[in-house]
Amino acid sequence: KAGVTQTPRYLIKTRGQQVTLSCSPISGHRSVSWYQQTPGQGLQFLFEYFSETQRNKGNFPGRFSGRQFSNSRSEMNVSTLELGDSALYLCASSFSGTTNYGYTFGSGTRLTVV
Amino acid sequence: GENVEQHPSTLSVQEGDSAVIKCTYSDSASNYFPWYKQELGKGPQLIIDIRSNVGEKKDQRIAVTLNKTAKHFSLHITETQPEDSAVYFCAASIGLTGGGNKLTFGTGTQLKVEL
Repeated sequence: KAGVTQTPRYLIKTRGQQVTLSCSPISGHRSVSWYQQTPGQGLQFLFEYFSETQRNKGNFPGRFSGRQFSNSRSEMNVSTLELGDSALYLCASSFSGTTNYGYTFGSGTRLTVV
Repeated sequence: GENVEQHPSTLSVQEGDSAVIKCTYSDSASNYFPWYKQELGKGPQLIIDIRSNVGEKKDQRIAVTLNKTAKHFSLHITETQPEDSAVYFCAASIGLTGGGNKLTFGTGTQLKVEL
């Protein structure tokens, strides 16, 4: 059974640019959550998508957005990149996004903003 | 919102010894407590989880205990091996008004198992 696939693995972008990250969840999983991991702030919740709808959102500025497609694949977009956006971006998939089912994380996309 | 504290931040043990990592949470509504292991260059991997209606769960060398009254939970690894060396994260999950859940993570424990 394939795991959670995130692409690309590494990205280097310049301040002010925008970036799109992709996440393919485990087959059959309908919930995709995104997390930002940094040495200073740890793992922080960005948002969660379920059945193509953003169901929950963390405390991040509007520059961070996402979407989910009918096949449950999700994309995350960051516009007007800042140096502080450099982080490991992780997505986690779950069958329903409830505590009845665990979350499986991908290997992440390492974003470096220069 | 939920806050999860994790201790210690680093832990060094000798191979074969036990390791214990402790976490406390603030929101009594949290009802799911997973533990993740993260190796260098990889995403967090779920190693064990416990739900609020259970006090203890064991899976081979790994066990987790939950004290709902005190709002703390712990990870116990027995007979540690070098391959157990990694960063371990605890998390607490709370249901959200929009449906679904959000994981709030502890700050991580760097476990080093020395030969």
